[in-house]
Amino acid sequence: AQKITQTQPGMFVQEKEAVTLDCTYDTSDPSYGLFWYKQPSSGEMIFLIYQGSYDQQNATEGRYSLNFQKARKSANLVISASQLGDSAMYFCAMREGPGGSEKLVFGKGTKLTVNP
Amino acid sequence: DTEVTQTPKHLVMGMTNKKSLKCEQHMGHRAMYWYKQKAKKPPELMFVYSYEKLSINESVPSRFSPECPNSSLLNLHLHALQPEDSALYLCASRVASFENEQYFGPGTRLTVT
Repeated sequence: AQKITQTQPGMFVQEKEAVTLDCTYDTSDPSYGLFWYKQPSSGEMIFLIYQGSYDQQNATEGRYSLNFQKARKSANLVISASQLGDSAMYFCAMREGPGGSEKLVFGKGTKLTVNP
Repeated sequence: DTEVTQTPKHLVMGMTNKKSLKCEQHMGHRAMYWYKQKAKKPPELMFVYSYEKLSINESVPSRFSPECPNSSLLNLHLHALQPEDSALYLCASRVASFENEQYFGPGTRLTVT
């Protein structure tokens, strides 16, 4: 079974609007971490935002926020005020186990296109 | 300096060639990773080095040979590759302690002919 599910292969958004990219996860470990990465066509994976399983508040980083709903096992990425440079692949990833654990499991990704 | 560098950016090699990919970071990170990424797919973990020791090998074929000469440098030696090994090879590093994200390099696009 997939541990990270991203159900939106592609999303479109108008410039300056907000967009939500969905991510659900599956784990029985009480300690885990959730990450979002952006991958432009150039190939580099860019870290965007992190949410720990014990964090009480949703993570925010500038225009990025993570809508963490633990009971639903979802960790959706919200991008506010979309910019043309936000067009890229977005991957949700999960680290299972304590913070020293080394493995990340990635979802299949969502391709976001921002239209002018 | 929050940069992971990878060389070369592009590599074309024949199936009988021997080549190496290089990854370098000067952030003091003690965990370093190699990923393979095929087009339109997520990255797949290949190897993890923690404190310069190989800690994870995801059942990667022996034609891929990792090496970590020091805490800043990670190599991936390639020998007798197959065309299906053509992919983007990403290197990443992290602090190797509690709750830290992985920083990725720009990748090497490898084509095996």
